[in-house]
This record gives sequence, structure tokens and C-alpha cells, in this order.
Amino acid sequence: AQKITQTQPGMFVQEKEAVTLDCTYDTSDPSYGLFWYKQPSSGEMIFLIYQGSYDQQNATEGRYSLNFQKARKSANLVISASQLGDSAMYFCAMRENTGNQFYFGTGTSLTVIP
Amino acid sequence: DVKVTQSSRYLVKRTGEKVFLECVQDMDHENMFWYRQDPGLGLRLIYFSYDVKMKEKGDIPEGYSVSREKKERFSLILESASTNQTSMYLCASSSSGTVSYEQYFGPGTRLTVT
Repeated sequence: AQKITQTQPGMFVQEKEAVTLDCTYDTSDPSYGLFWYKQPSSGEMIFLIYQGSYDQQNATEGRYSLNFQKARKSANLVISASQLGDSAMYFCAMRENTGNQFYFGTGTSLTVIP
Repeated sequence: DVKVTQSSRYLVKRTGEKVFLECVQDMDHENMFWYRQDPGLGLRLIYFSYDVKMKEKGDIPEGYSVSREKKERFSLILESASTNQTSMYLCASSSSGTVSYEQYFGPGTRLTVT
């Protein structure tokens, strides 16, 4: 079974609008971390935001927030007030407490339309 | 500024050649990883290492080997390059200890095997 599932291969959003990128995960480890990365066309992977399994509040970093629904095993990324520079691939990832490995989804390509 | 560096951004090799991809991190991280990235497939783990001289196979180790003789350096070796190994290769590193430590990525090496 896939550890991380991203069901949206591509998304479009109007500039200045908000957009939600979906991510569901699968683990039986009670302690885990969830990460979102951005990969612009230049190729570098940029860490955006982190959510721990025991965190009571949803993580926020500037225009990025993570909608964490533990019972549904979902960790959706919300980008508010989209900018043209947000056009990129976005990857959801998970790290379990029982190992050092990270598990990545297949990514979502976001295009911001002016 | 923390850094993960990779020896080449672009590499062109011939079928059957032995190929070395080098990765160096300056953060004293215990864990280092090699991924392969192909469109629609996300990041697939080739090998990772959690200590000097220690390695573990990832999801797609066939056709690859690795070497970690020093903590800061992790090498990926293609023993006999084939055209189906044409891809983007990403190196990453992370600390051990807790699930909250993210991975830091290098800029990637785009390898073409002709």
C-alpha cells in the first residue's frame, strides 16, 4: 500500500486565490511527521511546512497552512493568496518514528494563472 | 547556510559506462539518501545510509550501488549505465533522533545515458 497518496496530478488557481493540495497518508506508527516540499522548475526541493502527529494545532508558515485531519489521515496544504511564483511541483512526505526513511507522494503540479 | 552539494548538475554518459554521482553535506547529518525522480512517479528511494559504511536498499536499488566512507559524503554508482537510468537524481540528508527533522536536498543531477 502507498504510504503517501496525492491524487491531483495537476491543479490550476487564479492569482490571489487560495488553493488546497490534497495528501493522504497511511501508517500504524503513532508518532510521525508530515512535510510539504515545493520544487520549482529549477529543480531544487524547498521545505515548506511540518506537522507532527501529536501537534494539537494545524501548522502555519506565512501563506502556507496544513489542514491536518488525523482521523482521516489527511494533511492537505493550503496556499493562500496565490502568487505567480507559487507555480511548481508540490510533494507531500512522511517520516515515521520507527525508521529514518521518508516516504513521498507522486506530487501535484500547481499552475497559477494571472 | 546549510548545504547539500552534488558533483554535477548535468551529466551525459554512454551505455555501459560506470557513473559516479557524488553528494556532500556540511550539516553533520547521520542519514543520507539517493532518490530518482521521473515524471508522474515522484521521488523513488534508491539507497539510504544511516551511518558511515552502513547502507540500506530502498525501493529501486537494482543497477545501483552506494558508498559512504565518510560521514559527509555519499556516492551513488551506476555500475554499467543503461538508457533506462536516464533521470534526475536527488541527494538528501537529515538528522536522526526525531520525526520533526526534515530532509535537506541537493540541487539534483540530470543524467542522460545515450
